[in-house]
Amino acid sequence: QKEVEQNSGPLSVPEGAIASLNCTYSDRGSQSFFWYRQYSGKSPELIMFIYSNGDKEDGRFTAQLNKASQYVSLLIRDSQPSDSATYLCAVNDPTGGGNKLTFGTGTQLKVEL
Amino acid sequence: NAGVTQTPKFRILKIGQSMTLQCAQDMNHNYMYWYRQDPGMGLKLIYYSVGAGITDKGEVPNGYNVSRSTTEDFPLRLELAAPSQTSVYFCASMAAQGRHEQYFGPGTRLTVT
Repeated sequence: QKEVEQNSGPLSVPEGAIASLNCTYSDRGSQSFFWYRQYSGKSPELIMFIYSNGDKEDGRFTAQLNKASQYVSLLIRDSQPSDSATYLCAVNDPTGGGNKLTFGTGTQLKVEL
Repeated sequence: NAGVTQTPKFRILKIGQSMTLQCAQDMNHNYMYWYRQDPGMGLKLIYYSVGAGITDKGEVPNGYNVSRSTTEDFPLRLELAAPSQTSVYFCASMAAQGRHEQYFGPGTRLTVT
């Protein structure tokens, strides 16, 4: 069974701090990694994707990938109250077809004033 | 573009009733997916389609059926609704080429009592 593991939280950080969200995955064949943000009662929205080992930065967001350790992380700099949401890690399923994704259960982030 | 649309937004079913959840996309995407999300859980894949006329089971297909007669539409059929099918259902689509981002619809909140 392919698994994507995340700490459910909540992770509480003060406004302006760095939030660090972590994810591990079980299938070594996975090649594509995604972070989705989901506000309460809303649908998931893609905020970052990463395919290669190392860091990828986009504005206040940095995704980090370490395939040897099967570990993906998301850093949010200068956290804002509007960043309060659940963050879902998703990993491609390399078996079969369909470009399927396996999702973690999500980490709830709370940014406090 | 409207993106991915889903109807209805909310529905209450009695045990044993049937219904169809509608999903449509106007982005000419080949891939379409149906997920369910239970409280505090990640997204579980129910069915997916790689193109018109082609569908396949995901992780949790029991109690559901799909069809894909056109590129645009991917309805999900619930036969003999059960309380275990109470969930939020999301439809998503993805282009065959590009960065493999899945675009999600707004969701349907279904309660079976």
